[in-house]
Parts: sequence; structure tokens; C-alpha cells
Amino acid sequence: DIQLTQSPSFLSASVGDRVTITCRASQDINIHLGWFQQKPGKAPKLLIYGASTLQSGVPSRFSGSGSGTEFTLTISSLQPEDFATYYCQQLQCCPLPFGGGTKVEI
Amino acid sequence: EVRLVESGGGLVQPGGSLRLSCEASGFTLGDHYMEWVRQAPGKGLEWVGRSRDKTKSYTTDYAASVKGRFTISRDHSQNSLYLQMNSLKTEDTAVYYCARSGLLGATGGHYCDYWGQGILVSVSS
Repeated sequence: DIQLTQSPSFLSASVGDRVTITCRASQDINIHLGWFQQKPGKAPKLLIYGASTLQSGVPSRFSGSGSGTEFTLTISSLQPEDFATYYCQQLQCCPLPFGGGTKVEI
Repeated sequence: EVRLVESGGGLVQPGGSLRLSCEASGFTLGDHYMEWVRQAPGKGLEWVGRSRDKTKSYTTDYAASVKGRFTISRDHSQNSLYLQMNSLKTEDTAVYYCARSGLLGATGGHYCDYWGQGILVSVSS
């Protein structure tokens, strides 16, 4: 089975900072990767699919890149509403694991 | 407007059974893949299983941790997705989310683009 390793697990940042989160897959998954944002007590929200395509309605400060086994999520200028936990998920069926998550804190 | 509402959660003893329901509205259930994802208290997201759409005869796949114990089914007359959970273990305690899996992007991947609010299942004696 394919495993995903996210880093870092925790990240302290300030408003306006550029933030990068990495997701590594144990095997080549082409671009079959999504990124999700989750706030406490809420359902996850899809940010990016196909490794780099922004989901409708998601601010352009979010971007994704990568293919194969290494992927990144970048927030170009962190806003107060971006403090949350971020997860990657590989979509090359099956199973469809999530990464362990990255909590972005103030 | 796409809406997913889970129900059926609660407290159950180890070894017991529970059936979760997910009522869908705003789209045609049979045209979409659907997923169940769970989150244990204070932990990350765990994919539970998938039900494909009518073009794939509603076939299913499951995580190894639930295979043989959990079953995903649909009732299109009720516009609902179900998760039958048998032989429950304490480690199945989690918030369970139902999600629609939309076909997105040129490569034809299915991504959870709409989620329910989640329902808590507690397995404890």
C-alpha cells in the first residue's frame, strides 16, 4: 500500500508569512494528490486536486506543486483564517490514505 | 446546493453493530462516487471506504482496518448512503464523515469535494 509522509507536523508562523508543507508518497502516484484544510470541529475542505489545480472558491494564495512522490502546498501570504490543520491524500485507488497532517499555529 | 447529513451515531459496546446513514441532496447520488472518512478524537483523517458510481456498478473498496467488518451500501430511492459497522472495536471510536467524491481534473481522479458535518461513534463498555 502507498503511504504518505507529511512534514512538518507542526508549524508556527505569523500573518503574512510564506508557508510550505511537504507530502511524500512511498510510490509514484503521478499527480493523484489532493490537499485539504480542516478547522477545529469542522469537516475538511478540499483546497487542491490533481496536485496543483485550485478548487473553485479557494483563494489564490494557496498553490500546489509536484508529481511522482514529492508534493508541496504553499500559502504565499498567511492570513488569520488560514490557521488550521492541512492534510494531503493520495487518490490512486486503493486504499486512499491521508498524510498525518500539519497543524499551522500562530 | 449539495448537502450531506449523517445520522445514526452514538454509543455502542465492543462487539456491537451500528448503521450510519448519509442523506444526500442537491445532486444525483447514483452519478457519484461516495466515501466514508473517520477521525478519532485528537487524531488525523482516516479513509474508511468508497462506493463507486453506477458506471462502476457501485463497487466498493475498504481500508484494511475495517475490511470484513464494515459494509457500504446505497438506497437511491432514499438518496442515501449507509455504513454498516459490525464487530465494533474501541479503536473504531471516531467522528465519521460522509463525502461526495467528485470527478475532477484531466486525469480523472475522484476527490472529496463535499462533506457532511460528521457524526460521532463511541465504542465503549
